[in-house]
Amino acid sequence: KNEVEQSPQNLTAQEGEFITINCSYSVGISALHWLQQHPGGGIVSLFMLSSGKKKHGRLIATINIQEKHSSLHITASHPRDSAVYICAAHNTDKLIFGTGTRLQVFP
Amino acid sequence: DTAVSQTPKYLVTQMGNDKSIKCEQNLGHDTMYWYKQDSKKFLKIMFSYNNKELIINETVPNRFSPKSPDKAHLNLHINSLELGDSAVYFCASSLSGLSYNEQFFGPGTRLTVL
Repeated sequence: KNEVEQSPQNLTAQEGEFITINCSYSVGISALHWLQQHPGGGIVSLFMLSSGKKKHGRLIATINIQEKHSSLHITASHPRDSAVYICAAHNTDKLIFGTGTRLQVFP
Repeated sequence: DTAVSQTPKYLVTQMGNDKSIKCEQNLGHDTMYWYKQDSKKFLKIMFSYNNKELIINETVPNRFSPKSPDKAHLNLHINSLELGDSAVYFCASSLSGLSYNEQFFGPGTRLTVL
């Protein structure tokens, strides 16, 4: 079992739908990162959070430290949101990655 | 201006060869990383360097040797390439190794070992 688990593995949605991707971790963390990997392969950092909630445009990330759980929400999803979303737990000096959630948003 | 660059983008080679992948960041960051993404798209840390000093070596075979000539560069040399080394290798950098620093990723190098 991975130390960082994501669900679902694959997600399809119609444009405009509200999307939730979940991340659970079993290790102690100092921060939780959400990353986006584009179809072309590039990886960008979306959020880093150690408590509460962060919002950036249509993206919202939340974390519950007690439950060792984080969620990434996308409001009013758009085809350009199609990508793989990866959560990563910052444990001591390193990131431990989840297996990723492949999101496809259809027009 | 590219923040984190890697060369080459694609590398196809025969088993047993030795190859290098170069990484450079122009962000003034102190910490650099190498990650391996396997065929199932799973990312895993290989190495991290802070100001040219090795911080993390995540049980990577000795055939992999990172070299950091200065804090803006972290190169990865791989000896005696094996089929299982085929993967996408990502370089990344952050201001420091602390958890609240965002990591910036390079575009990746797709290595194919035949």
